[in-house]
Amino acid sequence: GQQVMQIPQYQHVQEGEDFTTYCNSSTTLSNIQWYKQRPGGHPVFLIQLVKSGEVKKQKRLTFQFGEAKKNSSLHITATQTTDVGTYFCAGPLIRAGSYQLTFGKGTKLSVIP
Amino acid sequence: DAGITQSPRHKVTETGTPVTLRCHQTENHRYMYWYRQDPGHGLRLIHYSYGVKDTDKGEVSDGYSVSRSKTEDFLLTLESATSSQTSVYFCAISEILGGYTFGSGTRLTVV
Repeated sequence: GQQVMQIPQYQHVQEGEDFTTYCNSSTTLSNIQWYKQRPGGHPVFLIQLVKSGEVKKQKRLTFQFGEAKKNSSLHITATQTTDVGTYFCAGPLIRAGSYQLTFGKGTKLSVIP
Repeated sequence: DAGITQSPRHKVTETGTPVTLRCHQTENHRYMYWYRQDPGHGLRLIHYSYGVKDTDKGEVSDGYSVSRSKTEDFLLTLESATSSQTSVYFCAISEILGGYTFGSGTRLTVV
């Protein structure tokens, strides 16, 4: 079945350093989604990428979708303590009548002030 | 998030008792999902629904059942709770190819 893998599992950075998490799928994806979960909170949808090679920015966050639509990355420039949390990528699995996302296990980001 | 609520937020129950968790949405979304989240395992799909009375199993469905008699409600039942079902449970809603909106979660402890 479809698998989505994320690396690294954990990342500790000094405040102000950059951070990148990578996502790889075993199958070609129609889109890739990214979520953020703050400690003690629930996952929150950040963005969806659809096109091959697509790059989208949200302030200090840059999201990329690979040319083959099997990998993606999230890059945070100059991390802040508000960036702390776990970042998940997810790819859709569509069967007749049903739709579900396969989530990576996430990258937990810690930011040292 | 507005539009989806889970109840209860916290529950402690004894081994062997049945437990029902409720997810309620006001967005009229077709798809609803139940996930559990455990350290080291990420989000694992328990069951999902693609319409009223249309449900299917996810990757960790053993010991769980679901029902969806109305568009807005999706119930998750632990038929006979075990300690291995201690977890945080999230409900989510979506439209096809859309992002998920998650509920705030239910922290369940089975003692």
